[in-house]
Amino acid sequence: ETGVTQTPRHLVMGMTNKKSLKCEQHLGHNAMYWYKQSAKKPLELMFVYNFKEQTENNSVPSRFSPECPNSSHLFLHLHTLQPEDSALYLCASSHPPPGRGGTEAFFGQGTRLTVV
Amino acid sequence: TQLLEQSPQFLSIQEGENLTVYCNSSSVFSSLQWYRQEPGEGPVLLVTVVTGGEVKKLKRLTFQFGDARKDSSLHITAAQPGDTGLYLCAGAGAGSYQLTFGKGTKLSVIP
Repeated sequence: ETGVTQTPRHLVMGMTNKKSLKCEQHLGHNAMYWYKQSAKKPLELMFVYNFKEQTENNSVPSRFSPECPNSSHLFLHLHTLQPEDSALYLCASSHPPPGRGGTEAFFGQGTRLTVV
Repeated sequence: TQLLEQSPQFLSIQEGENLTVYCNSSSVFSSLQWYRQEPGEGPVLLVTVVTGGEVKKLKRLTFQFGDARKDSSLHITAAQPGDTGLYLCAGAGAGSYQLTFGKGTKLSVIP
């Protein structure tokens, strides 16, 4: 248990569906992240939020829409996804961000997403 | 773009053997972290190294940060089946929000 909780753990959705992934952290961290982990690729950073403000969007397609209502919660809204979007989606938090003299990133267990 | 190259990609060894995993880059990092990830789970932090030349030990695991802070190694002594997993290195650039991850080394320790 790392203090970062993701739901659901597994999700199967059709290409026309709309779904949301949820992440919650109880570590008092200010920065939260979404990562995508595909087979044979390094972990890819998708979005960064610091104090609820989005600070990075790494050229992620608009079919992925993040939302950060407060420093403890992060959502990833999904719509009209493609089969190649199937992957493990990981949420992480840190305080402050790693490259700013901060602490390490703590990851949730991930949501295994399958798009059919 | 900062890249981290990990080697080897795959490693299968017998219980009791020693091994070293490498993480290399042409970029300088303000800190470097090692994670272990088990199937279907998120990465779990093992250690953070910050100072060039720094060596940290965690039981049978020894981590070293290169003098120039561009590379790192993880050495495991007398590997156990419980060490099996994907080992990831990740570097943080100064002033950045982003961790750059390597592709990982998949370790299998056979009893």
